[in-house]
Amino acid sequence: GAVVSQHPSRVICKSGTSVKIECRSLDFQATTMFWYRQFPKQSLMLMATSNEGSKATYEQGVEKDKFLINHASLTLSTLTVTSAHPEDSSFYICSARGTGSNYGYTFGSGTRLTVV
Amino acid sequence: AQRVTQPEKLLSVFKGAPVELKCNYSYSGSPELFWYVQYSRQRLQLLLRHISRESIKGFTADLNKGETSFHLKKPFAQEEDSAMYYCALRGSSNTGKLIFGQGTTLQVKP
Repeated sequence: GAVVSQHPSRVICKSGTSVKIECRSLDFQATTMFWYRQFPKQSLMLMATSNEGSKATYEQGVEKDKFLINHASLTLSTLTVTSAHPEDSSFYICSARGTGSNYGYTFGSGTRLTVV
Repeated sequence: AQRVTQPEKLLSVFKGAPVELKCNYSYSGSPELFWYVQYSRQRLQLLLRHISRESIKGFTADLNKGETSFHLKKPFAQEEDSAMYYCALRGSSNTGKLIFGQGTTLQVKP
């Protein structure tokens, strides 16, 4: 079945640095990638939607200059948290969707970001 | 506005008891509803969706447009059903994004 590989699974970084999270679709072409953020014991909050080769569409309240999303190929999307601060500490999850309206969503295993 | 509400954060039942995880939604068009499950230390995975009208692992869910609900049911809970369950909605007029409810932790006690 469809698999999405998300790396790293955990990352600790210092305040002010940038962190890049990668999501790769291993056996299908991810035409659309969704990036979510999940706070402890809370739901997944959609941050942005990106289509391959296009600029990402950000949800209201999400800073596009802080959370840079790149979806340059059909198998790779990246989320870069720039100038990270402790309040950016969270669990980030990607979800990929292939072509066709009935194509399902495949989730990555998530990245635990801790900013110290 | 699109919204998915799961009123229960935690549902605790004994093995063999019936289970109903509640989900209500708000959407002006024709939504597509899903249930996702997340077992401990595993990634989110699809359990079922309303257009398939299927039963997976004994779970079923019926879309009730009048009550705007998509409750997840299972007649006899098993310990291995213990997990986090998320109800999700995909609208017909957007880019295919999924909006998730807050999630319900199902705890099945022996």
